Amino acid sequence: EAGVAQSPRYKIIEKRQSVAFWCNPISGHATLYWYQQILGQGPKLLIQFQNNGVVDDSQLPKDRFSAERLKGVDSTLKIQPAKLEDSAVYLCASSLDSGVEQYFGPGTRLTVT
Amino acid sequence: AQKITQTQPGMFVQEKEAVTLDCTYDTSDPSYGLFWYKQPSSGEMIFLIYQGSYDQQNATEGRYSLNFQKARKSANLVISASQLGDSAMYFCAMRERSGGSNYKLTFGKGTLLTVNP
Repeated sequence: EAGVAQSPRYKIIEKRQSVAFWCNPISGHATLYWYQQILGQGPKLLIQFQNNGVVDDSQLPKDRFSAERLKGVDSTLKIQPAKLEDSAVYLCASSLDSGVEQYFGPGTRLTVT
Repeated sequence: AQKITQTQPGMFVQEKEAVTLDCTYDTSDPSYGLFWYKQPSSGEMIFLIYQGSYDQQNATEGRYSLNFQKARKSANLVISASQLGDSAMYFCAMRERSGGSNYKLTFGKGTLLTVNP
């Protein structure tokens, strides 16, 4: 069974530029999550989708971050414009349903200079 | 207050010995769940073990077991017969209901385990 796929694996941008990350969850998983993991900390949930609807985006900085999950499968997370403090690893995860074990992708390491 | 507390920033263990990684939690949700994840240097989070708040017995998965003490609100991970490949960051996470039928996962800050040969 294929795992969660993410791209790109690494991205370096300058502040005020925009960037987008892509995630393809495990087939059949209804719930998709985007986390931000700053160096030395645990992952922090940014947004959670159930199929193609948002169920939790309370910690998403909506002035600069946006995410969508069209057709309830793939998802993209965008940052525009990026700030230095956005440097982190962005992890995508999926699960069969909300509340059960989540399976994570390899992450995208973003460096904002 | 911290929802998940991991008090050990780093731990060292000799190969083939057992090690316990601490985790305490705080929640008002009666139907919470506790997870442990491993994050090697490659960055991917790997699910290890799960314990539900109503589970009567401690969860076990191979060399991993969860020492669940509900009254103390602790869910420590025990790794038996440590291997060099166990060297990684370990995160404790708690699942709580966040509205309707939706659940949210909150992670601790992690413990860096180093297994010495």
